[in-house]
Amino acid sequence: ETGVTQSPTHLIKTRGQQVTLRCSSQSGHNTVSWYQQALGQGPQFIFQYYREEENGRGNFPPRFSGLQFPNYSSELNVNALELDDSALYLCASSLSGTSYEQYFGPGTRLTVT
Amino acid sequence: AQTVTQSQPEMSVQEAETVTLSCTYDTSESNYYLFWYKQPPSRQMILVIRQEAYKQQNATENRFSVNFQKAAKSFSLKISDSQLGDTAMYFCAFMKSSYAGNMLTFGGGTRLMVKP
Repeated sequence: ETGVTQSPTHLIKTRGQQVTLRCSSQSGHNTVSWYQQALGQGPQFIFQYYREEENGRGNFPPRFSGLQFPNYSSELNVNALELDDSALYLCASSLSGTSYEQYFGPGTRLTVT
Repeated sequence: AQTVTQSQPEMSVQEAETVTLSCTYDTSESNYYLFWYKQPPSRQMILVIRQEAYKQQNATENRFSVNFQKAAKSFSLKISDSQLGDTAMYFCAFMKSSYAGNMLTFGGGTRLMVKP
């Protein structure tokens, strides 16, 4: 059984640029959630995708968007990057949108300069 | 909206001793789940233990146990026989009943250092 994987591991971008982060869910899981974890803080929920549709969104602006593909992998896109977007971005997959257990990937460290 | 508060930013414990991490939460929901997650320095978040709010019995997983006080909205984690590998950030997290979607609300974390 393959766990949750994320790419890239690290990324450095300039303010105003756009970035795409990728996540492959655990085998058999159809739901992916994205979280932003600023340094020294707990993760904050960005949004969730269930069967290719957005299934909930946290308090993040529209420049944070996502996609889920038929194989249930997912992308997080951030436009017009700001310095405060520097964080660890975590992806978590679950068996369904109603399953209580989420399995986290190792994260992508994004630095915006 | 739910909030989760961890009042201990950092804690330390000697190897083989017992330590308790505190967590309080605020919600108007009656059905929910509570979790403790561990995030070692390598970053990958791992589920340590979960508690269903409708269960009165406190959850236990090997050396890890919780003290769930629903009326007080308190959910502490006890680690017995602490090991060096327990050194990590620990996050308390809340999830509404799974039928409402399984988004997690996390606390700010407690950094636990286990000393030899």
